[in-house]
Amino acid sequence: GDSVTQMEGPVTLSEEAFLTINCTYTATGYPSLFWYVQYPGEGLQLLLKATKADDKGSNKGFEATYRKETTSFHLEKGSVQVSDSAVYFCALSRGAGSYQLTFGKGTKLSVIP
Amino acid sequence: DAGITQSPRYKITETGRQVTLMCHQTWSHSYMFWYRQDLGHGLRLIYYSAAADITDKGEVPDGYVVSRSKTENFPLTLESATRSQTSVYFCASMERGGSGAWNEQFFGPGTRLTVL
Repeated sequence: GDSVTQMEGPVTLSEEAFLTINCTYTATGYPSLFWYVQYPGEGLQLLLKATKADDKGSNKGFEATYRKETTSFHLEKGSVQVSDSAVYFCALSRGAGSYQLTFGKGTKLSVIP
Repeated sequence: DAGITQSPRYKITETGRQVTLMCHQTWSHSYMFWYRQDLGHGLRLIYYSAAADITDKGEVPDGYVVSRSKTENFPLTLESATRSQTSVYFCASMERGGSGAWNEQFFGPGTRLTVL
């Protein structure tokens, strides 16, 4: 079945450091890929998405590129802020019209001043 | 208020009691979902619904019951709560997409349930 593997946390960075959170997936066909973010005490929010190979999703300074050859969708940000402290989830759906999301286990990021 | 709401936000109950978690969305989205979030597991799908009166099991349905008599509501019932059901529960909704369309799921704020 489908699965998503993301790097274990927690990750602690200093403000303005570079962030990478690795995500790889296993799925048949051509899934859509997502990063969701969960701020403390809140529900999940979509951060960015990519629906086909080589697409780059971006939002709020975060980026991720859909790499089909390596089945990866790594999240990056050039300069993190304290306000980026949250749990980040990589997820996939099977594609067009698919209802179900398969999530990774989440990576907790803490950014210290 | 527009959006997706869950109630209660926090609940403490005892083993063997029945508990119902409520979810309400104002967008008239076709799909609704219940997930549970546990450390080391991420989010796992419990049940989902494609429309009113249509529900189906997800990855971890045992011990849970759902219903959907109205499009906007999707309650989750634990008929006889167990300690293993202590978790954070998230409801989500999504509009049905056309061919080639991706679909964002919108999440509620969650219900933290503790079963003693």
